[in-house]
Amino acid sequence: GESVGLHLPTLSVQEGDNSIINCAYSNSASDYFIWYKQESGKGPQFIIDIRSNMDKRQGQRVTVLLNKTVKHLSLQIAATQPGDSAVYFCAENIGGSNYQLIWGAGTKLIIKP
Amino acid sequence: NAGVMQNPRHLVRRRGQEARLRCSPMKGHSHVYWYRQLPEEGLKFMVYLQKENIIDESGMPKERFSAEFPKEGPSILRIQQVVRGDSAAYFCASSGGADGYTFGSGTRLTVV
Repeated sequence: GESVGLHLPTLSVQEGDNSIINCAYSNSASDYFIWYKQESGKGPQFIIDIRSNMDKRQGQRVTVLLNKTVKHLSLQIAATQPGDSAVYFCAENIGGSNYQLIWGAGTKLIIKP
Repeated sequence: NAGVMQNPRHLVRRRGQEARLRCSPMKGHSHVYWYRQLPEEGLKFMVYLQKENIIDESGMPKERFSAEFPKEGPSILRIQQVVRGDSAAYFCASSGGADGYTFGSGTRLTVV
């Protein structure tokens, strides 16, 4: 079965609050992780990535945390905006090529006004 | 730069018909990848092509599915004798060879 999974299928947050989307993976050999954002009717869009030799990586308003001990990945979005509404996927590379990432099922982020 | 262009956006086929999905990569990209996405699931890799070559088809079903990327024109994903289980969104991505993939907006295939 899939080795990547998400804790919550839907997450509702107030506009302006911070969002945290979680992802669990089971393959300890995974060495590269990516978060994608998919808006309704569109293709996935790269957000941020992290390699297994790192614990944290920051981008613009987004931070990815990697806890290899418990095989957990999270995406933090600061000051959530209406444009952040989308489905967020984590994907992992278990040693193959990056086009063969294993994708999780996705978490739908809903922004409340 | 129009990005990765996929057409049609929506395709309805009756069981037993053929479906042809087209993908034009970004300008300058010579690597094309096809993925399938079932509702509320992540993407699953199907096939990786370069011009006139299939590089990796390990994710492609053995029967009824084929893909090509001719010297001229778009990449084509072809599904023969479609069944209801083929209903899904099919995404194409392209790259210039290094890390970094740009996805198209997908073709949503519905088999009735």
